Amino acid sequence: SQTIHQWPATLVQPVGSPLSLECTVEGTSNPNLYWYRQAAGRGLQLLFYSVGIGQISSEVPQNLSASRPQDRQFILSSKKLLLSDSGFYLCAWSTSKGRPEQFFGPGTRLTVL
Amino acid sequence: AQSVAQPEDQVNVAEGNPLTVKCTYSVSGNPYLFWYVQYPNRGLQFLLKYITGDNLVKGSYGFEAEFNKSQTSFHLKKPSALVSDSALYFCAVRDKGFQKLVFGTGTRLLVSP
Repeated sequence: SQTIHQWPATLVQPVGSPLSLECTVEGTSNPNLYWYRQAAGRGLQLLFYSVGIGQISSEVPQNLSASRPQDRQFILSSKKLLLSDSGFYLCAWSTSKGRPEQFFGPGTRLTVL
Repeated sequence: AQSVAQPEDQVNVAEGNPLTVKCTYSVSGNPYLFWYVQYPNRGLQFLLKYITGDNLVKGSYGFEAEFNKSQTSFHLKKPSALVSDSALYFCAVRDKGFQKLVFGTGTRLLVSP
């Protein structure tokens, strides 16, 4: 069966510090991968998605970037965090063929102080 | 553009009573519709989907959803609510041309004992 991992689970960072959040998927190959941000426990904002290694599409221009160095690894980064980057970050995957539903990881709670 | 609307911020229901969480959609072409549930500080869990076929879709944890093409609705239902069903529920539609999902703003379900 497939599983998706995210780490760290929680993170408190000062303004201006760098960020690296990691997501890995097990039990499938060539997944589509997604990064979402959820602010204030409500709506989901799609940040990035990827259909393959090195292929990243950005949905919203911002202070963040994403990379996919391996087939089942997706990384969310920032060089300098802003207060507005605080939120709950969710990684998700879906199959590249067949079922359209996405499956989500447990999330990372980021607080920027 | 594809979109979904969840008109209720919160739904309150007593344990044992039936529950309905509303969702309406706007799509071009055939809709692919989804329901997810989110418990506090957790990722989203997939409940069910409608792709084609029977208008009544059964999913996890006793939930079901009714697809109504004429009313462009996809309401989530459960015959008998449990306190443990209290959570945040998201309706989603697949975006045209890719496996991106467009999420509603979420409805908080509160089931009282």
